[in-house]
Amino acid sequence: DTEVTQTPKHLVMGMTNKKSLKCEQHMGHRAMYWYKQKAKKPPELMFVYSYEKLSINESVPSRFSPECPNSSLLNLHLHALQPEDSALYLCASSAGYNEQFFGPGTRLTVL
Amino acid sequence: KQEVTQIPAALSVPEGENLVLNCSFTDSAIYNLQWFRQDPGKGLTSLLLIQSSQREQTSGRLNASLDKSSGRSTLYIAASQPGDSATYLCAVSGWGTASKLTFGTGTRLQVTL
Repeated sequence: DTEVTQTPKHLVMGMTNKKSLKCEQHMGHRAMYWYKQKAKKPPELMFVYSYEKLSINESVPSRFSPECPNSSLLNLHLHALQPEDSALYLCASSAGYNEQFFGPGTRLTVL
Repeated sequence: KQEVTQIPAALSVPEGENLVLNCSFTDSAIYNLQWFRQDPGKGLTSLLLIQSSQREQTSGRLNASLDKSSGRSTLYIAASQPGDSATYLCAVSGWGTASKLTFGTGTRLQVTL
C-alpha cells in the first residue's frame, strides 16, 4: 500500500475560523511533510516531521500549526488565516531520505 | 541556494511521439532527484527516483537520466499517449538537507489525438 490519504478534499473557511487538515499513511514511513502549492506554481515545503518530531519549519507563519500525534498521522491546524493562504495543501511521506509519496491534497479557500 | 529549472514550460505533441523533458539544477551536490507528474488540481504521483550515484532509471515507457556534474536530468517518454497529458515536475534534495525537495517550475505536457 503506497497510499497517503488526506481529509477533507475541499475546505472553505472564514478568516476567524479554526480548522484542521488531516493526513494519514500506513507505509511505516517515519518522515512526513506538509507542502503548500499555489496555482501554476511548484509545491513549497512548509514542515517536516521525522520520527514524530518537527525537524524543519520553513519560517511558516504561526497561524499554521503542525502536529504529529503518532507515526501514521499528521495534522495541520489552521487559525486566523488570510485569503492569500488559499492554496492546495499537500501531505507527503517517505522512508528516510528516499522517495516521497504524496497525498491528493486539500483545496483550501479562505474567504 | 539550489535553483531548479525546467524547459520547456509547455509542450504539445501528437500521440505516438517520443519526447524529452529537461531539468537543470545549479548545485550539483544533490542527494537524489525525483520526477513527478501532477494532473490538474490533484496531488503528485512519483514516477522515478534517481540516487546521486546512479545514471538512469527506467519504468515502463519512462526513462530518466542524471548527469550530476553538468547539473542536468532528462525524462524520456516513449510512444506518448493522451493519458500522459499532465504537468511534469522534477525535484532535487541536497546533502545535509536530504529531506527537503526543491522543485522545478514544471513542464505542462499535452498529447493530442
